[in-house]
This record gives sequence, C-alpha cells and structure tokens, in this order.
Amino acid sequence: ELKVEQNPLFLSMQEGKNYTIYCNYSTTSDRLYWYRQDPGKSLESLFVLLSNGAVKQEGRLMASLDTKARLSTLHITAAVHDLSATYFCAVDDSNYQLIWGAGTKLIIKP
Amino acid sequence: GAGVSQTPSNKVTEKGKYVELRCDPISGHTALYWYRQSLGQGPEFLIYFQGTGAADDSGLPNDRFFAVRPEGSVSTLKIQRTERGDSAVYLCASSLGGRTDTQYFGPGTRLTVL
Repeated sequence: ELKVEQNPLFLSMQEGKNYTIYCNYSTTSDRLYWYRQDPGKSLESLFVLLSNGAVKQEGRLMASLDTKARLSTLHITAAVHDLSATYFCAVDDSNYQLIWGAGTKLIIKP
Repeated sequence: GAGVSQTPSNKVTEKGKYVELRCDPISGHTALYWYRQSLGQGPEFLIYFQGTGAADDSGLPNDRFFAVRPEGSVSTLKIQRTERGDSAVYLCASSLGGRTDTQYFGPGTRLTVL
C-alpha cells in the first residue's frame, strides 16, 4: 500500500528566507503532484512531475523529483507573505488513484 | 472559463438523515472524482467516474455512500443514514481525459452531522 509522508507538517518562517518541504512515498510511482490550498479554498495544482530528475519552477517555487529515493522537494526561495498556504503532495498508486500527504501548513511572517 | 462548482457550500444535518452533494465539473472534462478531506488531513479518494460510469468506487467507505453521474457531466454524492463520523469537507475534481491528467478541484462542501 502506497503511503505518502510530508515534512514538516507545520512551518513558520520569515519573509525573504529559503526553505524546503519534503515529500516521501513508499512504493514506486510514475507521477507526483504538488497542490496548494488556501484556508477555506479549493486545491490548486502547482506542478506535475513525471520522471526521475524532473525539475519545475514557477516564481519562487521549485519542485524536483528523485524517483530512486522516492522523494520530492518543494523549495521556496525568498519567501513572501502571499505564499502562506497549505501545500500537499500527491502520488499516483498502481491503480492511478491519488494518494495524498497530510499537507504542510506554511506561515510566512512579514 | 468556469471551474468546478459544488453545492451546497455548507450542509448541516442530523444523524440518520440523508444528504445529497452536487458537483458541476469543468465543461468537456470526462473524468470526475470525489474525495473526502478531514481537518488537518490530505484528501481521501472516494470514487472516480469516466463518463457516466463509476470506473473505480473502491474508496467508498461503506454502502451508505453512493454517487451517480447519469449524463456524464453533473455528479451527485449521496449519503444515507449519516453518522457524525461523516463530517468532513467533500471535494469534487474533474480532469480532461483519464486519471493521468491533472485534476482541477472545486471549493468543496463542508458537511456537518450533528
């Protein structure tokens, strides 16, 4: 059974700092997603990572995938308050069901 | 264009009652998904439709839960004899083709069972 773990689950940081969120998964998968969720809002797709070594960047966010280590990272560069949200990673299992991590609640203080 | 919409946004019901939750997917999306999200957790898969048929209902927790998509567009999630443990946010998502396409989520319906 595929399990997805994120850490940290909670992160409070200052504006301007860099930090990384980690997503580990327990069995082989071909596809990993990162989503953002603002309080009371819908989940917004950020990145889809499809292959080993894949790297995608959008603004201050960069996601990477290491399928051999079963690890994805979401790196935040020079954080700004608007990036405060909960970030989820999700992984396709063998039946193409999305299995989700518990989320990382990110608070960025001015 | 319009995104995924869900109604109602909030539903409060009493234990034992029947509820229906509605999802309008993005126009043209053939795949539709229902998830349940409890506080502090990631979404939990319930059911996946491809067109009108439930292609995977393995996430439905028990036979009190049922979903339909009769015309391949709007879907309704039905919960019979609600229990307090059913309280959660129910999320709907749609994708253009199959399960390998990116899923676009609606805002969810917050169900509270008293």
